[in-house]
Amino acid sequence: KAGVTQTPRYLIKTRGQQVTLSCSPISGHRSVSWYQQTPGQGLQFLFEYFSETQRNKGNFPGRFSGRQFSNSRSEMNVSTLELGDSALYLCASSMTEGQPQHFGDGTRLSIL
Amino acid sequence: AQSVTQLDSQVPVFEEAPVELRCNYSSSVSVYLFWYVQYPNQGLQLLLKYLSGSTLVKGINGFEAEFNKSQTSFHLRKPSVHISDTAEYFCAVSGRGSRGSNYKLTFGKGTLLTVNP
Repeated sequence: KAGVTQTPRYLIKTRGQQVTLSCSPISGHRSVSWYQQTPGQGLQFLFEYFSETQRNKGNFPGRFSGRQFSNSRSEMNVSTLELGDSALYLCASSMTEGQPQHFGDGTRLSIL
Repeated sequence: AQSVTQLDSQVPVFEEAPVELRCNYSSSVSVYLFWYVQYPNQGLQLLLKYLSGSTLVKGINGFEAEFNKSQTSFHLRKPSVHISDTAEYFCAVSGRGSRGSNYKLTFGKGTLLTVNP
């Protein structure tokens, strides 16, 4: 059974640009959640989608947005990138809302 | 608001020794508790979770944790560690607030477990 797949693994952008990250959950999983991991702030919840609906959102500015498609794949978009957006972005999938079980290896985003 | 405190940022132990990683959380109407492990350059792996029922939860790789509601704790234990257990461990809580707000996962800052030969 394939795991959670995140693409790309590494990404380098400059300030002001925008970026889209992709997450393919485990087959049959309807919940996808996103997290930002930085050395200073640790792991922080971004948002969770379940059956194409955003179920919860963390305390991030509106520059961070996401969506989920009918096949449960999810994308996260960050607009007007800032240096502080440099982080490892992780997504997780599960069958049940609020219980992230399987994580991808993340996308490491570096802002120059 | 919910919060998680992992009391030790680093825990060094010798191989085959027992270990306890401590985790305390803020209370909520209903609480789900999790422990995850992260190896270098990888995502998180779920070790175990408490949803309801027995307060002693057994997970993968020989780890177990005990939910203590009165002390709002969920400490992770392993009776004998291996070199391969060296990694960062995260405690997390997910809950539903008194007003029925949706589940939201909050992580602790992590504990780096280093197992020495």
